Amino acid sequence: QVQLVQSGAEVKKPGASVKVSCKASGYIFTRNDMHWVRQAPGQGFEWMGIINPSGGGTSYAQKFQGRVTMTRDTSTSTVYMELSSLRSEDTAVYYCARDLGRDGFFDYWGQGTLVTVSS
Amino acid sequence: DIQMTQSPSSLSASVGDRVTITCRASLSISTYLNWYQQKPGKAPKLLIYVASNLQNGVPSRFSGSGSGTDFTLTISSLQPEDFATYYCQQSYSTPRTFGQGTKVEIK
Repeated sequence: QVQLVQSGAEVKKPGASVKVSCKASGYIFTRNDMHWVRQAPGQGFEWMGIINPSGGGTSYAQKFQGRVTMTRDTSTSTVYMELSSLRSEDTAVYYCARDLGRDGFFDYWGQGTLVTVSS
Repeated sequence: DIQMTQSPSSLSASVGDRVTITCRASLSISTYLNWYQQKPGKAPKLLIYVASNLQNGVPSRFSGSGSGTDFTLTISSLQPEDFATYYCQQSYSTPRTFGQGTKVEIK
């Protein structure tokens, strides 16, 4: 069965970087794009970007351009999201979500990774 | 960016009630509209994709309709496990955007 398993919670200081991983299993990793979405406490969802695990191509939300980097490791079926220059407003749960492909909806989600930015 | 507006932002209902949530897009998105359910502390779960298609394993009391800019999620007979927050999302273009959510609470 399809599973997306994310890395554990992180606590970071303002100005630092964080790298969250999302390990996929149960399907052919390179066949589906992966998105990253975040949810601040008590808030809705904010789309951050997408990575194509096959070729590594990415597209980022304008808000995060220059601060976010998405990469993948095909040998371990893992995608990564690194966010730099962290500020308190980046405190959120970060999710990876698989794009089924044809119609662009997210059929599987990781369990979420809480990133707390605090001095 | 395409703006997604849900209404209401919250509602109170009883078990057995029929519940309707609406979602409006700021421009036409054809039928590229999806609905998710989220319970506290959990990841979202896909309910409906491409406006009206029920995801595998989702109870048939959930249904979706609409096209263009106006969409509806209906729960025909609310069950205790349906108390949650519901989000619409457009997959017509990037950035993918979500509605602000509708919290369904027990009356």
